[in-house]
Amino acid sequence: AQKVTQAQTEISVVEKEDVTLDCVYETRDTTYYLFWYKQPPSGELVFLIRRNSFDEQNEISGRYSWNFQKSTSSFNFTITASQVVDSAVYFCALSEAYTGTASKLTFGTGTRLQVTL
Amino acid sequence: DTAVSQTPKYLVTQMGNDKSIKCEQNLGHDTMYWYKQDSKKFLKIMFSYNNKELIINETVPNRFSPKSPDKAHLNLHINSLELGDSAVYFCASSLGQGWAGELFFGEGSRLTVL
Repeated sequence: AQKVTQAQTEISVVEKEDVTLDCVYETRDTTYYLFWYKQPPSGELVFLIRRNSFDEQNEISGRYSWNFQKSTSSFNFTITASQVVDSAVYFCALSEAYTGTASKLTFGTGTRLQVTL
Repeated sequence: DTAVSQTPKYLVTQMGNDKSIKCEQNLGHDTMYWYKQDSKKFLKIMFSYNNKELIINETVPNRFSPKSPDKAHLNLHINSLELGDSAVYFCASSLGQGWAGELFFGEGSRLTVL
């Protein structure tokens, strides 16, 4: 069965600090996709990144970067020079490979990030 | 223009009532979903439709019935509401990329059952 673990329930940092959100996943599939979503206080879910299981290259997008390591089944998310606007709940998710036409995401329990001045 | 829109955003009702949540997407996507987020923020898929056809039906009570009149709309009807149905319900859509597609979520509909 698919499983996504985000062991950090809540993290508090001071603005401009770097912060890493951990994500560990379990799957028997050799082909799968990993995602990160952001849920700000306003409540909507915002897509951040998708990574397929064959692409272990790290990705950087502005202050955001992602470290995918198949050997440790981890897909960690780092925010550099955090800002108050980064305060949100962040979800890691895993997509199950099957023959259907829908994306069946298994979400982690989320990490609440609080960035203060 | 909002890509995935849900109405109502807030819904407060009594136990035993029947209620509906509507969802519309203007992204031209083929697949739509309903996810439930409980009080602990846990997100779980409920249903998915592709071009009006039900393709994912997780273990959800029969009191929940999705309906998709066309591929741009997916509504959720809930009969005989119970306290445990209180949650935020998210509608989402994705391109026809099958299981690899990224989901675009609506803003959520917070249902409170008293």
